[in-house]
Amino acid sequence: AQSVTQLGSHVSVSEGALVLLRCNYSSSVPPYLFWYVQYPNQGLQLLLKYTSAATLVKGINGFEAEFKKSETSFHLTKPSAHMSDAAEYFCAVSAPNDYKLSFGAGTTVTVRA
Amino acid sequence: EPEVTQTPSHQVTQMGQEVILRCVPISNHLYFYWYRQILGQKVEFLVSFYNNEISEKSEIFDDQFSVERPDGSNFTLKIRSTKLEDSAMYFCASNPTGTNQPQHFGDGTRLSIL
Repeated sequence: AQSVTQLGSHVSVSEGALVLLRCNYSSSVPPYLFWYVQYPNQGLQLLLKYTSAATLVKGINGFEAEFKKSETSFHLTKPSAHMSDAAEYFCAVSAPNDYKLSFGAGTTVTVRA
Repeated sequence: EPEVTQTPSHQVTQMGQEVILRCVPISNHLYFYWYRQILGQKVEFLVSFYNNEISEKSEIFDDQFSVERPDGSNFTLKIRSTKLEDSAMYFCASNPTGTNQPQHFGDGTRLSIL
């Protein structure tokens, strides 16, 4: 079975500061990993995905994530936070030949002016 | 850009009543999903659907739940006799080819059981 753990339910950053959201996964097979963002009253929007190609994955809105097998991690970063980055972020995992996504508990990001 | 659309955005229902949540997946997608998120909890997988049949379901998806693709565009989730604990945000998702491809989500239906 696959699962993810997101460390930190809330992260507060200053505008222009680094955003770092942590995700660790557990999987018995090489996983597919995803980061989704949810803005208030909206659905889940894909930020980026890892599906066994390059370990450093670039996504939308300046976000990127690095797959580290040795650490079973897939942390999400953005060098410089913008006010519009305030949202909830979800890490998700699936296994090859598996249809379902297993989500982490989510991390809420607030950005201080 | 094509979107997954869900209706209604908010549904209020009396306990014990049947409710149908509706979704229109992206038109060229073949795999459809329902997830739910109880307030303050994780997003949980309910069911996946392909070629007019369920391909996978979770233990949450018991006999009270059913899914259907009644025509070429809609995908529905029915809860036969709602319980208070069914109150949650329900998300529909779709993707072109099942595994490996990202799932595209709708904005969700907030279901409130009174």
